[in-house]
Amino acid sequence: GQQLNQSPQSMFIQEGEDVSMNCTSSSIFNTWLWYKQDPGEGPVLLIALYKAGELTSNGRLTAQFGITRKDSFLNISASIPSDVGIYFCAENTGNQFYFGTGTSLTVIP
Amino acid sequence: NAGVTQTPKFQVLKTGQSMTLQCAQDMNHEYMSWYRQDPGMGLRLIHYSVGAGITDQGEVPNGYNVSRSTTEDFPLRLLSAAPSQTSVYFCASSRLGTDTQYFGPGTRLTVL
Repeated sequence: GQQLNQSPQSMFIQEGEDVSMNCTSSSIFNTWLWYKQDPGEGPVLLIALYKAGELTSNGRLTAQFGITRKDSFLNISASIPSDVGIYFCAENTGNQFYFGTGTSLTVIP
Repeated sequence: NAGVTQTPKFQVLKTGQSMTLQCAQDMNHEYMSWYRQDPGMGLRLIHYSVGAGITDQGEVPNGYNVSRSTTEDFPLRLLSAAPSQTSVYFCASSRLGTDTQYFGPGTRLTVL
């Protein structure tokens, strides 16, 4: 299967700080997806990217599709306590979704 | 709409026991899938289905069976549970060809 490496593995930040995380792949992707998993629940799609260089925002979240098509970045601005959870990058190869290892975010009020 | 529902929420099995994890969706989605989530490993695809009567293997299919007799239901069967199958299992559904998957709340399975 595809190898999706996310970093950092975990982050502890103060409320109000900006957050940046990334995902890299050994293969070229046509799609990058970012999901968030709240504690005790299933993941929810945040942002989908379809073109190299594309920059897409969803509220305080901004994601970018890397120019090399082998990486993607997710930024969260002015973090709030409800941002806590695990953030996953993912790829859809047609009928199979591959997920990264996840970045666990803790926001300290 | 209930979305994607999964039962049970928690289950403890002994090695060698069998059980079925239930998944149902009421959104008329063609695509349904099962994942397992283990610490530090993200979600890994077990099996998926693109429509009633059609199933296929994902990344980690060994030890699991599925069937899709209706659009709504996609049960996951463990024929002989092993401790290595201790995990959190998620079911998801989506419109075929789209990227927005809707996940259920998960089933936490422990095999002793």
